Amino acid sequence: DARVTQTPRHKVTEMGQEVTMRCQPILGHNTVFWYRQTMMQGLELLAYFRNRAPLDDSGMPKDRFSAEMPDATLATLKIQPSEPRDSAVYFCASGLQGAYEQYFGPGTRLTVT
Amino acid sequence: KQEVTQIPAALSVPEGENLVLNCSFTDSAIYNLQWFRQDPGKGLTSLLLIQSSQREQTSGRLNASLDKSSGRSTLYIAASQPGDSATYLCAVMTTDSWGKLQFGAGTQVVVTP
Repeated sequence: DARVTQTPRHKVTEMGQEVTMRCQPILGHNTVFWYRQTMMQGLELLAYFRNRAPLDDSGMPKDRFSAEMPDATLATLKIQPSEPRDSAVYFCASGLQGAYEQYFGPGTRLTVT
Repeated sequence: KQEVTQIPAALSVPEGENLVLNCSFTDSAIYNLQWFRQDPGKGLTSLLLIQSSQREQTSGRLNASLDKSSGRSTLYIAASQPGDSATYLCAVMTTDSWGKLQFGAGTQVVVTP
């Protein structure tokens, strides 16, 4: 049963600390998406990659957020320094190039105090 | 800019009734429209994907229609069950931004036994 996995599932941190979230896409999927979900804004696309190269990160605050794919099996989203307004659920999704379906992970619930 | 609206925001029905969920979008230049289900604390599960050239898609008790010209989609769930309780989100992929999904805020559904 192929799934997208995300770690950690929950993270509580203090303002100013660095946060790193990890995603393992489904094996063979070459497109990875990062989304953020909040009550106020709903689900928003932060960035996405194809074949490990960033295609679009226009939804991401550049000054504090960074997204990378060190290899085909790992995507990371880093926030440094974190702020209370970053509190949200962060989802990773993966898919195949040319296919429309996106498969979502369970999310990382981030709380910044 | 594409805007996606879902009405109603919340819906409660007794078991056995049919569910009707609405989604509207402002830009008809879309590749597809998708309906997702989200359970509390979990990721999104894709239910149905309708290509822009299609009028409807069916899967079991679920049927989704698409009227691209009027910017509307409707998700029908026949003979609702308590297990259908979840939040349902629609998302569109516009032709000027392949891969990027624009989500509605969702409709929270409760099916009472």
